[in-house]
Amino acid sequence: DAGVTQSPTHLIKTRGQQVTLRCSPKSGHDTVSWYQQALGQGPQFIFQYYEEEERQRGNFPDRFSGHQFPNYSSELNVNALLLGDSALYLCASSLSTMNTEAFFGQGTRLTVV
Amino acid sequence: SQQGEEDPQALSIQEGENATMNCSYKTSINNLQWYRQNSGRGLVHLILIRSNEREKHSGRLRVTLDTSKKSSSLLITASRAADTASYFCATDENTGFQKLVFGTGTRLLVSP
Repeated sequence: DAGVTQSPTHLIKTRGQQVTLRCSPKSGHDTVSWYQQALGQGPQFIFQYYEEEERQRGNFPDRFSGHQFPNYSSELNVNALLLGDSALYLCASSLSTMNTEAFFGQGTRLTVV
Repeated sequence: SQQGEEDPQALSIQEGENATMNCSYKTSINNLQWYRQNSGRGLVHLILIRSNEREKHSGRLRVTLDTSKKSSSLLITASRAADTASYFCATDENTGFQKLVFGTGTRLLVSP
């Protein structure tokens, strides 16, 4: 079991550009959530995807969007990048049933210059 | 917004000692999960405790949950240098969908 995999591991983008991050969930998991972790902080919930739909969203602007594919993998897109978007982006997968563990990938370190 | 607050923010101990970290939260929850993070990389899931449970064990880890005080503690016994990491608690609120709300973490340093 490969666990949750994310790509790429590191990314440098210029302010104003767009970026796409990818996530493959743990085998058997059908729900993918994305989190942003700024340096020295705990992760902040961005949104969650289940059955290819955004089910829940945190306090993030519309510049942050996502997609879930039929194989449950997911993408996070960020448009019009700001310097403040520099962070570690974490993908978590879980089962859609209640009270289940969320397993995280290794993250994508995004630097906006 | 951060729901949980871990205490202490930083903890420095010697190998073999026990490490205790505390977490407080604000709203009702379905469960609380503890994670470890090494050097700003991915989060490693340690343990999940449900709201109707009071204590769980996993190897050298012991987690307690007091829903009346909205608090949890993580005890690592006989710590090792490899336990050096940041530890986060995350609450899964009773919203129908899993949405983890993390605290700011405890940085644990275990010296040989």
